Amino acid sequence: AQSVTQPDIHITVSEGASLELRCNYSYGATPYLFWYVQSPGQGLQLLLKYFSGDTLVQGIKGFEAEFKRSQSSFNLRKPSVHWSDAAEYFCAVVLYITDKLIFGTGTRLQVFP
Amino acid sequence: EAQVTQNPRYLITVTGKKLTVTCSQNMNHEYMSWYRQDPGLGLRQIYYSMNVEVTDKGDVPEGYKVSRKEKRNFPLILESPSPNQTSLYFCATKKDTFYGYTFGSGTRLTVV
Repeated sequence: AQSVTQPDIHITVSEGASLELRCNYSYGATPYLFWYVQSPGQGLQLLLKYFSGDTLVQGIKGFEAEFKRSQSSFNLRKPSVHWSDAAEYFCAVVLYITDKLIFGTGTRLQVFP
Repeated sequence: EAQVTQNPRYLITVTGKKLTVTCSQNMNHEYMSWYRQDPGLGLRQIYYSMNVEVTDKGDVPEGYKVSRKEKRNFPLILESPSPNQTSLYFCATKKDTFYGYTFGSGTRLTVV
């Protein structure tokens, strides 16, 4: 069955440090991949998406993600984290046939000053 | 401004008392969906609707009903809420897959 795995439940980084959040997917075909961010008490905001083409995609708020087919991964990165990046991050994949968005279990990011 | 509006934002209710969570979008999108978010489980789809009068079950539909009588509204109905339906609920809509989903701000429901 198609699935999305985010192996890190909780990550803590210092402000200014680099960040990488891991995401692995299980899907037979080339997936449509997304990263969403949920700030405390807020809804989900789309950070970036990958459909095809260039495997390194740029998103909002200085985030980027790289699609690696050989590793079935779509990791989210940011070179320098800001305190306002503290939030929960969700990786998601769209099932092509049903057009349904399937989420990973999320990674909570904590940023220390 | 493109918006998905959910009401209420917070709700505490008792077991068995019927309730409705409303969702309205102003983007004229055909597709709408409901998700619930639980710790350690991420977001799971409850129901979705491809268009007016067209609804279908998602992954966790038990205990829920929906209706889609007009394009902008997609209410979630809990006929007889139970404590295991305590959760954070999100309504979402999309123009098409490429543009991604737009989510409402969420409804935190507590059933006691």
